Amino acid sequence: QKEVEQNSGPLSVPEGAIASLNCTYSDRVSQSFFWYRQYSGKSPELIMSIYSNGDKEDGRFTAQLNKASQYVSLLIRDSQPSDSATYLCAVISGNMLTFGGGTRLMVKP
Amino acid sequence: NAGVTQTPKFQVLKTGQSMTLQCAQDMNHNSMYWYRQDPGMGLRLIYYSASEGTTDKGEVPNGYNVSRLNKREFSLRLESAAPSQTSVYFCASSDVGRSYGYTFGSGTRLTVV
Repeated sequence: QKEVEQNSGPLSVPEGAIASLNCTYSDRVSQSFFWYRQYSGKSPELIMSIYSNGDKEDGRFTAQLNKASQYVSLLIRDSQPSDSATYLCAVISGNMLTFGGGTRLMVKP
Repeated sequence: NAGVTQTPKFQVLKTGQSMTLQCAQDMNHNSMYWYRQDPGMGLRLIYYSASEGTTDKGEVPNGYNVSRLNKREFSLRLESAAPSQTSVYFCASSDVGRSYGYTFGSGTRLTVV
């Protein structure tokens, strides 16, 4: 069983809508969680980090963490075509960062 | 401020050839990592170096060796390339600490024929 699970997508949303990306993880002692965005042919870039239960907002992005359910999500409000990319969930497990397989998001004009 | 620099960007090898991928960071980070990324598999950790002078195996170390040359540089060597090693390789660095936000290099696209 993969330690960090994501739906591979593609998730298709219209421009201006809210995109909701989900991730589950298996290591109950994980304390740090991250969302990376990766455009096609490019390297991952960090867009959000979250460490405590609840919501964390940064501009159009909101990360949500529920440690009891081992669930982390990313909401993108007012989605733009430029948000079209693969979003990688990552979790500190042991002493290293473990990535999910990523969810491909497509925002249609 | 270059961040994490990887060379080369592209490489084609014949089966059995060897090569070294170079990585350097200028952010004074303690930890460095090598990942490979394959379609549908996400990023998988090959080796990492928590600090200068130490290296440890990750999830998929077979067929690879690494050297932490100094605090800035962390190289990945393929001694005898195989077609299964065709992939995109990313180097990353981070500070030890709670944030663990990794900074990635631009990647090396390697094809083994």
